[in-house]
Amino acid sequence: NAGVTQTPKFQVLKTGQSMTLQCAQDMNHEYMSWYRQDPGMGLRLIHYSVGAGITDQGEVPNGYNVSRSTTEDFPLRLLSAAPSQTSVYFCASSPGVTGTDTQYFGPGTRLTVL
Amino acid sequence: AQSVTQPDIHITVSEGASLELRCNYSYGATPYLFWYVQSPGQGLQLLLKYFSGDTLVQGIKGFEAEFKRSQSSFNLRKPSVHWSDAAEYFCAVGGQYKLVFGAGTILRVKS
Repeated sequence: NAGVTQTPKFQVLKTGQSMTLQCAQDMNHEYMSWYRQDPGMGLRLIHYSVGAGITDQGEVPNGYNVSRSTTEDFPLRLLSAAPSQTSVYFCASSPGVTGTDTQYFGPGTRLTVL
Repeated sequence: AQSVTQPDIHITVSEGASLELRCNYSYGATPYLFWYVQSPGQGLQLLLKYFSGDTLVQGIKGFEAEFKRSQSSFNLRKPSVHWSDAAEYFCAVGGQYKLVFGAGTILRVKS
């Protein structure tokens, strides 16, 4: 099992550009989520999904879109990148559909917006 | 609303010394509590978790944590720290559909 994979590992964007961060898991987990990590702020939930076709907003959803067409994939789209979106992004999955199960994290994507 | 406070941003301990990382939470119901560790440049790995039952929980790598409901705390401990324990540690509380993290504590180990 590869677990949770994320691509790319690093990305530099210019303000206003759009891009998609990819996340995939091969554990057949129903729950997937996206977090951003900023110094001194821990991880903050952006969006989550409790199954294919079902997504919802987390704590900091503005500027990001998600969709879940398959159980395996949960891409995160930045619509018009801003310097405030410079961060490290983590995708996670868990077998249960609540926040009470162990979450398995990907290695992260480090995004810089100039 | 759920929240987690980790009062210490940085902690430095000598190799072989004991360690305690503090975590206080706010949650209206019975909390589901977690400790995750993040090594530099890596994702997060679960150290241990508490759902119910025995308030002293054992985890991987020799870590343990004690749940104290009266103090709303879930402190992480290790009796003897190794240089490889240098990392950032996150406490988290789980609720419906989401996990809320503390700001993290960076552990430095000096030889």
